[in-house]
Amino acid sequence: EVQLVESGGGLVQPGRSLRLSCSAAGFTFGDFPMSWVRQSPGKGLEWVGVIRSKAYGWTTEYATSVRGRVTVSRDDSKSIAYLQMNSLKTEDTAVYYCTRDLGRLDSWGQGTLVIVSS
Amino acid sequence: DIQMTQSPSTLSASVGDRVTITCRASQSISSWLAWYQQKPGKAPKLLIYKASSLDSGVPSRFSGSGSGTEFTLTISSLQPDDFATYYCQHYTTFPVTFGGGTKVEIK
Repeated sequence: EVQLVESGGGLVQPGRSLRLSCSAAGFTFGDFPMSWVRQSPGKGLEWVGVIRSKAYGWTTEYATSVRGRVTVSRDDSKSIAYLQMNSLKTEDTAVYYCTRDLGRLDSWGQGTLVIVSS
Repeated sequence: DIQMTQSPSTLSASVGDRVTITCRASQSISSWLAWYQQKPGKAPKLLIYKASSLDSGVPSRFSGSGSGTEFTLTISSLQPDDFATYYCQHYTTFPVTFGGGTKVEIK
């Protein structure tokens, strides 16, 4: 069974940085792209970014709204994906989900809440 | 970016009703469309991919159709467990984008 567990969320001041982690189990982590999706309170889903597998050079893509402030990375030896967020804004307040990305997002973690507020 | 537009945004229905949700893409996405179900406080769950393929374990009352720019999600006989919010998502190219969601409420 695929399991994805996010951690690292919390309350952070505007302008600060935060790194989220996603621990994976139940599948060969290194073979799959991993995406992050966020959901602001009471709002819809917004894709944030993806990191491809080693076979595709661990290349990344980002949403326009976060490009330049966000970095997705991974440690295949630990089966962990990361989302580094810099220069956080109040509008980054959201639940952040990591997902296994087959194009369709077939497995999701439970999410971790990030609140950006002074 | 490809825009995904869902309608209606809210739908009131009764148990046993046939329910249809529409998703339109701003340009052709072939069949690269997925549907998700989300319940309050929970992560989304994949229901359908490639427009009409049912994900493993998803009840057969759910079905998807369409290609190009217009797609539908149909629930043939609404069950109590189906009251939730539904999202479409294209995955033809990055950035992937989601529709705004359709909340299915109890009538």
